[in-house]
Amino acid sequence: EVQLVESGGGLVQPGGSLRLSCAASGFTFSSSWMNWVRQAPGKGLEWVANINQDGSDKYYVDSVKGRFTISRDNAKNSLYLQMNSLRAEDTAVYYCARGFSSLADIWGQGTMVTVSS
Amino acid sequence: QSVLTQPPSVSAAPGQKVTISCSGSSSNIGNHYVCWYQQLPGTAPKLLIYDNNKRPSGIPDRFSGSKSGTSATLGITGLQTGDEADYYCGTWDNSLSAGVFGGGTKLTVL
Repeated sequence: EVQLVESGGGLVQPGGSLRLSCAASGFTFSSSWMNWVRQAPGKGLEWVANINQDGSDKYYVDSVKGRFTISRDNAKNSLYLQMNSLRAEDTAVYYCARGFSSLADIWGQGTMVTVSS
Repeated sequence: QSVLTQPPSVSAAPGQKVTISCSGSSSNIGNHYVCWYQQLPGTAPKLLIYDNNKRPSGIPDRFSGSKSGTSATLGITGLQTGDEADYYCGTWDNSLSAGVFGGGTKLTVL
């Protein structure tokens, strides 16, 4: 079964850092682009970042450039999102999603990140 | 303000048909395939349509997609109460070098 499982979310103070992880199984992880997508409470989907198969190509939404870093470890079938200088507006459920077509096909269940003092 | 524009809500009676529009520009829909996602309350998004009009395995043919120029449309026929959800269009944007989504459309089956 193709599966993505996110972890690492939690409560963090403004200005703090958090590292999200996404464990992939059931497909050839090293052959897939991977994405992070977030959804603020009661709001729509917002694409955050993606990374190519070997990690040499990365793209970010403007609002997180310079603060978030996407990375992957193909030996561990894992995707990561390092989030620094967190702001209240980064509060959201963060989903990892496998790259497919123009965006993504398989999504994880999400992990909640709350930025608050 | 989302890069792709969708109506906030649509509604129709059970058994009827509904369409959801998604409007973009030449930098996104005009030059890339469109995907459509269904998000049931409290769950992760699920891919409904990819490459403008293709359905993943397991998606019933009640769901269809089309694209013309810089706009795309999701169609749902034979509406069921279980179709009540938020629907999102999405694609890649060359100018932004980023993925983009519509703001989402809430479907109510009356």
